[in-house]
Amino acid sequence: EIVLTQSPDTLSLSPGERVTLSCRASQSVTGRYLAWYQHKPGQAPRLLIYGASTRASGIPDRFSGSGSGTDFTLTVSRLEPEDFAVFYCQQYGNSPPTLGQGTKVEIK
Amino acid sequence: QMHLVQSGPEVKKPGTSVKVSCKASGFTFSNSVVQWVRQARGQRLEWVGWIVIGSGQTNFAQKIQGRVTFTRDMSTNTASMELSSLRFEDTALYYCAARGDFSGSFDIWGQGTMVTVSS
Repeated sequence: EIVLTQSPDTLSLSPGERVTLSCRASQSVTGRYLAWYQHKPGQAPRLLIYGASTRASGIPDRFSGSGSGTDFTLTVSRLEPEDFAVFYCQQYGNSPPTLGQGTKVEIK
Repeated sequence: QMHLVQSGPEVKKPGTSVKVSCKASGFTFSNSVVQWVRQARGQRLEWVGWIVIGSGQTNFAQKIQGRVTFTRDMSTNTASMELSSLRFEDTALYYCAARGDFSGSFDIWGQGTMVTVSS
């Protein structure tokens, strides 16, 4: 199975800052079938990005995704207070689908 | 509005089984895929498996294969997960998530069902 490694594990940032999260796959992800989720305590995860770069419905344009093959990136151009959470990547192009271990973005 | 509503919390003894349901509304259930993801306290999200609603085809995480069964009932728009031979380490919050009509991935999530395995 494909192992997804996210980096860094934790980031401490201030509102207004730009953040780039990495998701690296142990082998190439078929068809750019990679999604990003945001997960806050006490809530269900929320889909942000699918197909590596397509924003899900209702997601602000400060969130963007890029990448292909084994290297993928989620960028938040300017962090808003409500953006602080754990972010997960998931590949669903290869069987079985797998999730990364998550990156926590916390308020500095 | 697209919704998934999951069944309530469960407390089970080791070795028994649990069934969690996930009722869909507001989108075309028969065209969807429903995945199950779990999170133990303080741990990462873990993919459990999925079911393609139309065909009934399933896929499971290797770790849990053989103990989990996914079913769907298109007359009630309900997907279910049954986990057998429960172990203490199965204690987790279980989420179902579905692919909506205009999405390429899992954009509709249930509220989560807490399953506790305790003797």
